[in-house]
Amino acid sequence: EAQVTQNPRYLITVTGKKLTVTCSQNMNHEYMSWYRQDPGLGLRQIYYSMNVEVTDKGDVPEGYKVSRKEKRNFPLILESPSPNQTSLYFCASSPIWDRVSEQYFGPGTRLTVT
Amino acid sequence: AQTVTQSQPEMSVQEAETVTLSCTYDTSESNYYLFWYKQPPSRQMILVIRQEAYKQQNATENRFSVNFQKAAKSFSLKISDSQLGDTAMYFCAFRGDKVIFGPGTSLSVIP
Repeated sequence: EAQVTQNPRYLITVTGKKLTVTCSQNMNHEYMSWYRQDPGLGLRQIYYSMNVEVTDKGDVPEGYKVSRKEKRNFPLILESPSPNQTSLYFCASSPIWDRVSEQYFGPGTRLTVT
Repeated sequence: AQTVTQSQPEMSVQEAETVTLSCTYDTSESNYYLFWYKQPPSRQMILVIRQEAYKQQNATENRFSVNFQKAAKSFSLKISDSQLGDTAMYFCAFRGDKVIFGPGTSLSVIP
């Protein structure tokens, strides 16, 4: 089944404890992206990747890191999480970066930082 | 900078009735696409419909249709014959050089 998977689905952590949210897609997509969703703000792009070893900042990159060593994986790293990073996170992918392609979203990761 | 606005944070509609969700956007780009995504309580993001900016004809997908007014930069979603399963958050999204989502409209379908 073609899909985007994220792990974990739920995470509660404490301020400053490094964490990684994994994202994997099995559709051989070139483009991958991370979003955070907050009430009243919709989804905001954190980072995106047009292909392996190519990543770039989105609108809200502060406090996050990403890497794209393999085509299928695009982990999101929070080196020192803070409470303002409590949010719902989505990974998404599409075949290529163009304006028409639909993005396929993962199931979301609910992160709480205390 | 591009912006996407959804002025209705919450809406409700009676089952089998028609409802229209509004979306306006601002951009200086001429080549872009617009999307409506549905997010049910399961949180999964589901594509509802997409519209190409250079196409005059409004997109339609079964009970879902859009009213695209390019000059007014308006992209509303009409849901006909509303069903209980349409209860969800709906996001309007702009895709040009960047991807921009609106803040969402929470739609409740009342039996």
